[in-house]
Amino acid sequence: NAGVTQTPKFRVLKTGQSMTLLCAQDMNHEYMYWYRQDPGMGLRLIHYSVGEGTTAKGEVPDGYNVSRLKKQNFLLGLESAAPSQTSVYFCASRRDRGAYEQYFGPGTRLTVT
Amino acid sequence: GEDVEQSLFLSVREGDSSVINCTYTDSSSTYLYWYKQEPGAGLQLLTYIFSNMDMKQDQRLTVLLNKKDKHLSLRIADTQTGDSAIYFCAEIETSGTYKYIFGTGTRLKVLA
Repeated sequence: NAGVTQTPKFRVLKTGQSMTLLCAQDMNHEYMYWYRQDPGMGLRLIHYSVGEGTTAKGEVPDGYNVSRLKKQNFLLGLESAAPSQTSVYFCASRRDRGAYEQYFGPGTRLTVT
Repeated sequence: GEDVEQSLFLSVREGDSSVINCTYTDSSSTYLYWYKQEPGAGLQLLTYIFSNMDMKQDQRLTVLLNKKDKHLSLRIADTQTGDSAIYFCAEIETSGTYKYIFGTGTRLKVLA
């Protein structure tokens, strides 16, 4: 049981390049989330999904797109990277009952130059 | 809008107790959470408390909830150097979106 995994762990992009971050969970969770973490700002929600085939905008969605084609995977895309997207990105998942506790992946550190 | 506030830093000596405080605004939150983040790692769930509870104890961790003042605290007994990390409190919105609001984190430094 790997929990929540993220690929890649590190990435450096040039301004204007595109990339996709992959999040996978093996806990059969319905809900999945993408956050970014910046110094002094805590965690900010980018997009989330309440089930396979669904996505919704969070607090800071501009410049990002997501897809949830399979229940276990949640992809975050940057179509044209900007230096303001330099951050650490975390994926999380949770089931749809109980205490609604989230389980986090180890993060992807992205630098845009 | 909803907000969760925490103090930025806390320093304690090894063996002492640590108390990390948090205030929140959504009075209808059903659950409140404490997460720990070590350097270069993701957030690890430490514990959570249901809103109809005043206290929850789990080994060295004690969570106190004061709903009237919207105040949450995490007490770590016999603090060890391995407890050095950033601690986040979080609440879950109950307005239908079931999104989470995180505090900015408290950096705990344990001095040997």
